[in-house]
Amino acid sequence: DGGITQSPKYLFRKEGQNVTLSCEQNLNHDAMYWYRQDPGQGLRLIYYSQIVNDFQKGDIAEGYSVSREKKESFPLTVTSAQKNPTAFYLCASSTIQGDGANVLTFGAGSRLTVL
Amino acid sequence: AQRVTQPEKLLSVFKGAPVELKCNYSYSGSPELFWYVQYSRQRLQLLLRHISRESIKGFTADLNKGETSFHLKKPFAQEEDSAMYYCALRGTGFQKLVFGTGTRLLVSP
Repeated sequence: DGGITQSPKYLFRKEGQNVTLSCEQNLNHDAMYWYRQDPGQGLRLIYYSQIVNDFQKGDIAEGYSVSREKKESFPLTVTSAQKNPTAFYLCASSTIQGDGANVLTFGAGSRLTVL
Repeated sequence: AQRVTQPEKLLSVFKGAPVELKCNYSYSGSPELFWYVQYSRQRLQLLLRHISRESIKGFTADLNKGETSFHLKKPFAQEEDSAMYYCALRGTGFQKLVFGTGTRLLVSP
């Protein structure tokens, strides 16, 4: 069953703690993305990666970090430096060539709540 | 800079009524425009893209470069169309996809 798997679905964190959200895809997509979804603000890009071992900051990268050691995996770490981390986080992937290029496939999301 | 504006947070219509979800964009080059939809308890998914010029689930959207708009239209709304709709833009080459703030469509019986 091809697709994107995000885990955990729900996560609670105390202030001052770092947490890592997992994103795995078996679609053989080159590009992967992390978005943050807040009510009334739509989706805002945190980080994206077009190729293994390379990634770029999106619009709201401060307080977040990522890695892309494998094509299939693009974990997101929400650090204690992120001032307002409570949100719904969406991972996505896409090809970068051909008819399907730039069409994003999304995961089910992870909801992070800071207590 | 790339920007997408969806002026309506909520659009409420009755079943069978026409629907138009507005989307305006700001981009100096030739953009690629998309509509994504999120039904209740489902993942965000692509509805249509302007380069395909196709109708999906009765929805169409035409890119109007003069008015910098990509409005989503359907002549007769159905209850199952109730969802959150996001307009998105990508610039030339591999660039990030920029989303609007979304419009919630509510179709009442």
